[in-house]
This record gives sequence, C-alpha cells and structure tokens, in this order.
Amino acid sequence: ETGVTQTPRHLVMGMTNKKSLKCEQHLGHNAMYWYKQSAKKPLELMFVYNFKEQTENNSVPSRFSPECPNSSHLFLHLHTLQPEDSALYLCASSQERGGGPTDTQYFGPGTRLTVL
Amino acid sequence: GQNIDQPTEMTATEGAIVQINCTYQTSGFNGLFWYQQHAGEAPTFLSYNVLDGLEEKGRFSSFLSRSKGYSYLLLKELQMKDSASYLCAVGDSNYQLIWGAGTKLIIKP
Repeated sequence: ETGVTQTPRHLVMGMTNKKSLKCEQHLGHNAMYWYKQSAKKPLELMFVYNFKEQTENNSVPSRFSPECPNSSHLFLHLHTLQPEDSALYLCASSQERGGGPTDTQYFGPGTRLTVL
Repeated sequence: GQNIDQPTEMTATEGAIVQINCTYQTSGFNGLFWYQQHAGEAPTFLSYNVLDGLEEKGRFSSFLSRSKGYSYLLLKELQMKDSASYLCAVGDSNYQLIWGAGTKLIIKP
C-alpha cells in the first residue's frame, strides 16, 4: 500500500450506532488530520495530530472522538451521530505541522458517511 | 474573519487556457496551496507558493501576489481529464490551512 488509505469507503449508520473510521499513512509523515467535506462547502478541519499528540480540536462535537495510537494510524470514533453529520470524511497527512512546504497534505480517498 | 474566495464554477473548451482566481484574507500568511479534486476522489496537491511570482509545472502554473492577497491557477492545453474541482488553501499565522470552497471546472469538447 502506498500513500494514505481509509476504510471503510462507504458507511451507512443509524443515529444510535457506534462505528469507527480508520486511516493509515505509508509516507513516514508525522502529522495527521481529519476533515469533513460537505457539498459546496470548504473543507472543515476537525482534528490535528502532530507526532501523535492532538494539537487542534476545532470545536468538534463530542460525538466525534479521534484516536492516534502511532504516527501512521488515525481513527475517528463515531457515536450517536445526527443526519447533518452525513458527509465525506477525509484523512490527510503531512511531513509535519509547522508551515511551509512541509505542511503539504496528502489525502486519503475518504469515507462517504450517511447517517439515517 | 478569515476568508478565501474562488468562483464556484467555470467552463472552458478542450485545448484552451483557463485561469482560476483565488483571493484571500487571513491572519498571517504561510504559503498558498492549490489542490485538484476529481468527483468522488481525494484532493491531490498541485502547487505551493510562498513568494510572489509565477511557478510553472508543465501545463499548470500558479501565481501569487501577497500584497494583493491574490493567486491564480493557470491551466493550459486543457484536456477532458482536467474537469475537476480546484481548491485554494492558505496557511495562516497558526499554520492552519484555510480552505476555499473550490472551483468546479467543466471542460467541453
């Protein structure tokens, strides 16, 4: 595997379900990100991990819970979601967090999430 | 507040040239990125500008004017596969990327 991979690619869940999204990067990067992408809206940064430490949480509701066990893996745990949470969830990685070209982010294919 | 503006949609003809503009207002500046995103796929990195001027990469070029808070992506010899959304993003003083909503480019034969 190369680049950034995400599983599952598609997920349908009820409002009472608990599920997890997985992201893995094979680029030797130290920073990983979760984004939400809704139709015709800018990418919304949710969480940032730099060297396995969470450095940013952009006012994300607690029904989204990230986990970063090592610099190659990132999870997003989901519980009691709302229909408005339906979106494309993208994972990305960069060499490190700190500005400049090392912040160039490489994205996974995303998980298309539908909450019923 | 911080803001990135791009046209929502543009149409161009195969073989032609198109310029996609991006204007920004951010607290600080740590570089400007352009990404391409085909429908249903991940964004892919196209270019990075931090100094004023034009950066050329094959058929794609990106221009930056920091004093004007302005950038453009220039696509030459358009091909049908260039039909995609083009995202502009600016690094602010906290090294956070501020993203535009993207410009959907439609290429017609």
